[in-house]
Amino acid sequence: AQTVTQSQPEMSVQEAETVTLSCTYDTSENNYYLFWYKQPPSRQMILVIRQEAYKQQNATENRFSVNFQKAAKSFSLKISDSQLGDTAMYFCAFFSGYALNFGKGTSLLVTP
Amino acid sequence: GAGVSQSPSNKVTEKGKDVELRCDPISGHTALYWYRQRLGQGLEFLIYFQGNSAPDKSGLPSDRFSAERTGESVSTLTIQRTQQEDSAVYLCASSLGLPGIPEAFFGQGTRLTVV
Repeated sequence: AQTVTQSQPEMSVQEAETVTLSCTYDTSENNYYLFWYKQPPSRQMILVIRQEAYKQQNATENRFSVNFQKAAKSFSLKISDSQLGDTAMYFCAFFSGYALNFGKGTSLLVTP
Repeated sequence: GAGVSQSPSNKVTEKGKDVELRCDPISGHTALYWYRQRLGQGLEFLIYFQGNSAPDKSGLPSDRFSAERTGESVSTLTIQRTQQEDSAVYLCASSLGLPGIPEAFFGQGTRLTVV
């Protein structure tokens, strides 16, 4: 079974600063997808960014980017120019053709 | 509709009663997931439907939990003889099956409170 580990239960960052959330996973598969989801207090899960394992280039979506290290099985999320609206739970997720497995999440607080 | 719809939004039930939660996925999405999220916790996988394949029920916590899906449409999650420990938000998600991009779209969830 694939496992996803987020080692930072809580993080805090000041507005306009940069923060990196870590995620590692365990799999024997070669082809898979990785995702970061955001869950604000409204509890609606929103996709932030995705990465296909066969792509070497790191995915980027505006202020959000990933550092995908396939050999190390690491998939960190970098949020640049943090905004108050980025305050939320962030979940890393893994998919290889079976169920979509999530990490336990990192609670991010952006302070003024 | 345009997104994943779940009903009811909130449900309060007495211990020992049965409850049924409903999920309407996005049209054309062959994959459907159910997750449980306890307060302040992560997403606990319950069950996964993919097209006409046998569902992956490996996450169901006990035989009190069951789920059905008719074709590629509505799914219902049933909890029998509810216990206080069943209190949580139940999230449903749907996605395109492979070889499509398996990006999961989530509903707003059903908050279940067992009193």
